[in-house]
Amino acid sequence: NAGVTQTPKFQVLKTGQSMTLQCAQDMNHEYMSWYRQDPGMGLRLIHYSVGAGITDQGEVPNGYNVSRSTTEDFPLRLLSAAPSQTSVYFCASSYGGASSYNEQFFGPGTRLTVL
Amino acid sequence: AQSVAQPEDQVNVAEGNPLTVKCTYSVSGNPYLFWYVQYPNRGLQFLLKYITGDNLVKGSYGFEAEFNKSQTSFHLKKPSALVSDSALYFCAVSFLKGDMRFGAGTRLTVKP
Repeated sequence: NAGVTQTPKFQVLKTGQSMTLQCAQDMNHEYMSWYRQDPGMGLRLIHYSVGAGITDQGEVPNGYNVSRSTTEDFPLRLLSAAPSQTSVYFCASSYGGASSYNEQFFGPGTRLTVL
Repeated sequence: AQSVAQPEDQVNVAEGNPLTVKCTYSVSGNPYLFWYVQYPNRGLQFLLKYITGDNLVKGSYGFEAEFNKSQTSFHLKKPSALVSDSALYFCAVSFLKGDMRFGAGTRLTVKP
């Protein structure tokens, strides 16, 4: 199993540009999430999904869109990039099931710089 | 609001000494608590979790954590630290399906 994969690893954008961060998992996990990691602030939840066709907002959803058309993929879209979105982005997935509090598996991250 | 706090940005210990990384939580209802570790330029890795049952939870790499309801704490511990334990440690809480919130992280440095 490849686990959770993210592309690209690095990206530089100009203010106002849009892009999509890709995330895929091959573990048939129901739950998937996007986080951003900033120094001194830990990981903050952007959006999450508990299954195909279902998404919800986390702590910091503004400026980001998500969709979940398949179990495997959960792309994160930046609509109009701003310097405040410079961060490291992590995708994670977990098994759902009867017990909803299972550990998450993380991807390697995407380092995004917005100029 | 459901949250966790890690009161120490940095913890320094000597190799072979016991280590503790602190976490406190604020949750209404039953807390579901986790510890993760992050090595440089890597994603997070799961260490252990508390759902219910025994207050002492054992996890990967010799780590354990003690759930204390009266003090609303979930401190991570290891009896004998290794240099290779040096990393960034995160406490997290999950209270809704798919929704997990993390603390700010504590950088652990183990010196030879």
